[in-house]
Amino acid sequence: QMQLQQSGPGLLKPSQTLLLTCAISGDSVSTDSATWNWIRQSPSRGLEWLGRTYLKSTWSYDYATSVKSRMTIHPDTSKNQFSLQLKSVTPEDTAVYFCSRAGRNAPHGLDVWGQGTTVTVSS
Amino acid sequence: QSALTQPASVSGSPGQSITISCTGTSSDIGSYIYVSWYQQHPGKAPKLMIYEVSSRPSGVSDRFSGSKSDNTASLTISGLQAEDEADYYCSSYTGTTTPYVFGTGTKVTVL
Repeated sequence: QMQLQQSGPGLLKPSQTLLLTCAISGDSVSTDSATWNWIRQSPSRGLEWLGRTYLKSTWSYDYATSVKSRMTIHPDTSKNQFSLQLKSVTPEDTAVYFCSRAGRNAPHGLDVWGQGTTVTVSS
Repeated sequence: QSALTQPASVSGSPGQSITISCTGTSSDIGSYIYVSWYQQHPGKAPKLMIYEVSSRPSGVSDRFSGSKSDNTASLTISGLQAEDEADYYCSSYTGTTTPYVFGTGTKVTVL
């Protein structure tokens, strides 16, 4: 059964860098049949898609305009995981962050989700 | 890309049918078959209920069905059950480098 397991800190101070990891079991980050996504959810912004990575000959990356200048996704084939790095966080980045898979069994449907990580940015 | 518009709340009695609407634009829902619906219980991750407008993943009850007309998608829950009480979100593919836009969310209450 395919699973995504998230890890990472839940409390940061403004200007720090958020690093979250999503470990994949039951699939491969290197598959050409899926994309690997990060989504966040907050009361003020609702569900917000943040970015994705996928392998199509070479690694590709897409980022939401709202975070593009601060966000990087790193696929790690040796550990079969992918991570989110978000620099210079502010209180507006306070949210529950989810990793998710799209595409293998449901075209453009996010069919497997991590358990979520509550991230709070506060001084 | 603006969020898709959903009613804030919908309610129904056990056994009844309810429908949740999701209104987008000609750039998202109106242009693609890639409309999805997610169910979210409190404190849990969203769960995919419908993809490609009307397809159900394995294991999802056939009480859940989806449709689309022009720029509006709909989710119908038939034979409403207590366990269906949750938040529901629609999503559409956009064909851009921000590929997915979500709806504002609808709280379903089983009376």
